Amino acid sequence: DVKVTQSSRYLVKRTGEKVFLECVQDMDHENMFWYRQDPGLGLRLIYFSYDVKMKEKGDIPEGYSVSREKKERFSLILESASTNQTSMYLCASSSRGIANEQFFGPGTRLTVL
Amino acid sequence: ILNVEQSPQSLHVQEGDSTNFTCSFPSSNFYALHWYRWETAKSPEALFVMTLNGDEKKKGRISATLNTKEGYSYLYIKGSQPEDSATYLCAFKYNDMRFGAGTRLTVKP
Repeated sequence: DVKVTQSSRYLVKRTGEKVFLECVQDMDHENMFWYRQDPGLGLRLIYFSYDVKMKEKGDIPEGYSVSREKKERFSLILESASTNQTSMYLCASSSRGIANEQFFGPGTRLTVL
Repeated sequence: ILNVEQSPQSLHVQEGDSTNFTCSFPSSNFYALHWYRWETAKSPEALFVMTLNGDEKKKGRISATLNTKEGYSYLYIKGSQPEDSATYLCAFKYNDMRFGAGTRLTVKP
């Protein structure tokens, strides 16, 4: 059974803290993605990666960075968490190819106080 | 800006009703159109991936059509059941994936 796992389902952090969200996939997928989901806005792409050590900015990269040191792992980093980063964060992966579906993790609901 | 619009935003139907909703996307530079189903407390799951104008896909009571020339896709659910209650997302594949805000379907028994 294919799987994308995320390190936490729920996370509460304080403003200014550095936050790491981890995502691991076991499907040997080349592509990995980080999204955030806010009510009425759908999924918005933060960063994506098409290969190890490679990263590309999505629509809303400000305040975030990513790391992809291994093929199976894609980390999202909030350098200094702010209250407007309170959101649901979803990780996804896919194999190469324009028509390949994305497989999503369960999401991490992050609250920044 | 590549916007993907979904309508309606939410929908409440009775069990047994058939329903449909719309995804609109830019008609230029089309690569693929994805439909996902997202149940509460679960991960989004792919329903269909469509690449060709005129594509029609079916999975059980759910089907989808694609018109790339005019930039829209319809998702149909025949004889809705309470277990169909979910948010249905469409996504337009360009350089990356652009998601719509989704249609939240509630099916009342």
